Amino acid sequence: EVQMVESGGGLVQPGGSLRLSCAASALAFSTHYMQWVRQAPGKGLVWVSRINPDGSSTTYADSVKGRFTISRDNAKNTLYLQMNSLRAEDSAVYYCATVTSGHWGQGTLVTVSS
Amino acid sequence: EIVMTQSPGTLSLSPGERATLSCRASQSVNGNYLAWYQQRPGQTPRLLISAASSRATGIPDRFSGSGSGTDFTLTISRLEPEDFAVYYCQQYGISLYTFGQGTKLEIK
Repeated sequence: EVQMVESGGGLVQPGGSLRLSCAASALAFSTHYMQWVRQAPGKGLVWVSRINPDGSSTTYADSVKGRFTISRDNAKNTLYLQMNSLRAEDSAVYYCATVTSGHWGQGTLVTVSS
Repeated sequence: EIVMTQSPGTLSLSPGERATLSCRASQSVNGNYLAWYQQRPGQTPRLLISAASSRATGIPDRFSGSGSGTDFTLTISRLEPEDFAVYYCQQYGISLYTFGQGTKLEIK
């Protein structure tokens, strides 16, 4: 059974940084486009970033461009999201997911507050 | 960036009825790379449909997707109690992927 487990969320002050990780198992990880999606409490899904299978191409939502960096380590079957210059409006549950096969993690909560 | 607009915002129906949810893109979606997700309260999104009309593994055949270009539809032929949830469309045809704002399907 495919499992995707996010980690790295928590409480951080405005302007701070966090690095999220997403470890995949039982998945041909290196063949999948991967994405990060966030959801603030009671709100809808918002796409954050995506990366192609070999990591050579990345794209970002305008709201996070220049502050967040997506990357992957196919040898470790792990996806990352480095988040810098965090703002209150970045507070949300962050999900990692494959783009086309419908595999999602359970999410990790990021709270940006002083 | 492609803007995805879902309608209606809320749909009130009874079990056994047919549901039709709409998703409109601000420009044509490359390759009809359009997905539909279901999210029940407290749960992770569940992929229903990919590439506009391909049902995901394990999804009942009462769920169907159609459309192309800028206009897409999710149809649930006969509503079951577990179908009442929020539904999202997502385009992944152009590199800045985007979601619609969601349609809440509620019991009438």
